[in-house]
Amino acid sequence: AQRVTQPEKLLSVFKGAPVELKCNYSYSGSPELFWYVQYSRQRLQLLLRHISRESIKGFTADLNKGETSFHLKKPFAQEEDSAMYYCALLLTGGGNKLTFGTGTQLKVEL
Amino acid sequence: SQTIHQWPATLVQPVGSPLSLECTVEGTSNPNLYWYRQAAGRGLQLLFYSVGIGQISSEVPQNLSASRPQDRQFILSSKKLLLSDSGFYLCAWSVRWRDGYTFGSGTRLTVV
Repeated sequence: AQRVTQPEKLLSVFKGAPVELKCNYSYSGSPELFWYVQYSRQRLQLLLRHISRESIKGFTADLNKGETSFHLKKPFAQEEDSAMYYCALLLTGGGNKLTFGTGTQLKVEL
Repeated sequence: SQTIHQWPATLVQPVGSPLSLECTVEGTSNPNLYWYRQAAGRGLQLLFYSVGIGQISSEVPQNLSASRPQDRQFILSSKKLLLSDSGFYLCAWSVRWRDGYTFGSGTRLTVV
């Protein structure tokens, strides 16, 4: 079955500390993965895509097929990074469907 | 520019009453459209998606239905609401999978 697991409901770090939000997936084919973010009182929005190999707002995510992981990382957390983060996996079968993890609430403390 | 509108923002409905939530997209043609329900601790659950006018795929059997009467209009409905239908409903669209989804602002539905 295609599944995304985010083991941490809440991650609390201090400003300036490194951040790693964990995401593991279960998928038999070649995975396409995304990270979405929801800031307080804002819409859920795309943060970054595996296929683009991009760095957005200092965040990066590397696909590790051996460990079936797509962890989101940032070397130095900022207060404005506090938000809800969702990992998502593109499903097969047409329709560009995404299955999402349960999300991790990141809290950056001063 | 491409935008997505979702309304109402909040809704309180009695058990057994009907439901109609509307989502419209501007600035794009023939998008894929999606209805998700977001629940605390349970992430986002895909309810319905549509790849074209009149084409609806249901992902989870439930008390809800969806329709797409126009290319850029997606409607979530129920004939009789249950308490378990309470939640936060999100509409989204996509054209190319690599570009991800654009989400609406959501509707908070409370069934009382």
